[in-house]
Amino acid sequence: DIVMTQGVLPNPVPSGESASITCRSSKSLVYKDGKTYLNWFLQRPGQSPQLLTYWMSTRASGVSDRFSGSGSGTYFTLKISRVRAEDAGVYYCQQVREYPLTFGSGTKLEIK
Amino acid sequence: QVQLKESGPGLVQPSQTLSLTCTVSGFSLTSNSVHWVRQPPGKGLEWVGAIWSGGSTDYNSALKSRLSISRDTSKSQVFLKMNSLQTEDTAIYFCTYGYNYWGQGVMVTVSS
Repeated sequence: DIVMTQGVLPNPVPSGESASITCRSSKSLVYKDGKTYLNWFLQRPGQSPQLLTYWMSTRASGVSDRFSGSGSGTYFTLKISRVRAEDAGVYYCQQVREYPLTFGSGTKLEIK
Repeated sequence: QVQLKESGPGLVQPSQTLSLTCTVSGFSLTSNSVHWVRQPPGKGLEWVGAIWSGGSTDYNSALKSRLSISRDTSKSQVFLKMNSLQTEDTAIYFCTYGYNYWGQGVMVTVSS
């Protein structure tokens, strides 16, 4: 199984600043079609996860352009620009390159 | 619009079988896949398994021997059955379509 490892944020992050969340995979997530099969989610307390980006850098419908995904085949970053109070929660990366699918352990973002 | 709703017993005894239903609307099960994801209290997301448009399935490696996912397309329902339940299976169970649409989740507690 592909192992996903997420970094830790130096919380809390001041409102208006940027935050970068990292994720590493134990195997390349690039498929033969050239796409990188990585999703990012935000889960706010008491809510279901919300898809932020897929194919590593494509924003899901309705997601603010303050969220941007980037990376290589095994190292990924979700950057949140000008953080706001509503960005607080736990962020998860997920590889959808091969089955079984796997999630990272989550990175908590707190806003000051 | 797309909706998913999980249902099932809130409490299951150890060693018994869990049966959950995900009732969907707004899309067809014969053209799309549905995934199950679970989250133990205070912990991260864990991919459980999926059923594809053609009816085939994929399962989490650690749960494969105890897990079965099926569907009734005429009722727009997807079923999760897991036997030999243990306290570690206590979690919120979510069903999701495309990871862009999620149910609100159903809490399952394994306890005597």
